[in-house]
Amino acid sequence: AQKITQTQPGMFVQEKEAVTLDCTYDTSDPSYGLFWYKQPSSGEMIFLIYQGSYDQQNATEGRYSLNFQKARKSANLVISASQLGDSAMYFCAMSLHTGKLIFGQGTTLQVKP
Amino acid sequence: DTAVSQTPKYLVTQMGNDKSIKCEQNLGHDTMYWYKQDSKKFLKIMFSYNNKELIINETVPNRFSPKSPDKAHLNLHINSLELGDSAVYFCASSQAIADQETQYFGPGTRLLVL
Repeated sequence: AQKITQTQPGMFVQEKEAVTLDCTYDTSDPSYGLFWYKQPSSGEMIFLIYQGSYDQQNATEGRYSLNFQKARKSANLVISASQLGDSAMYFCAMSLHTGKLIFGQGTTLQVKP
Repeated sequence: DTAVSQTPKYLVTQMGNDKSIKCEQNLGHDTMYWYKQDSKKFLKIMFSYNNKELIINETVPNRFSPKSPDKAHLNLHINSLELGDSAVYFCASSQAIADQETQYFGPGTRLLVL
């Protein structure tokens, strides 16, 4: 069964520090995509970063990087130099060949000043 | 310049009513989706369309009927609204159907059924 698991319902981080949000996935498909989305309190879903199952290198986008460990089936999001505006809910998602996105339960991140 | 737009943003209605939510994308994408986010923030796909053709139809009550008049539009009509339909409905689009295609989401429509 295809599944995404985010085990941290809530996380705190001090401003300017780095934080890792955990995500594990389960699929038997050889080809899949892994995504992270940010949902601030205003409610919109903002795409952050993508990692393909065949990508050899970890994806990076500015302060976001994805720590992809295929053997462990994990795709953790690392946010460096946290800012107050990073406070939001973060969703890990997996895409299959049908285009269907399967989401995790989400992690609420609060950045402390 | 909005990439994926939805109307209305908020919808408050009585049980038993019929309502529609409209979605438009100006990204030139071929594929569009509807997702439902429940009160616990869990997101689940409802439908997807590729070039106006229905591709994914999850186990959604047939009171929900999507319609895609063209590639840039995907509307969602809901008949006989129930209390449990209260949720945030997101439209999304991607260039094509594939696991590596990023889906871009609209702002969401917050539906409250009284």
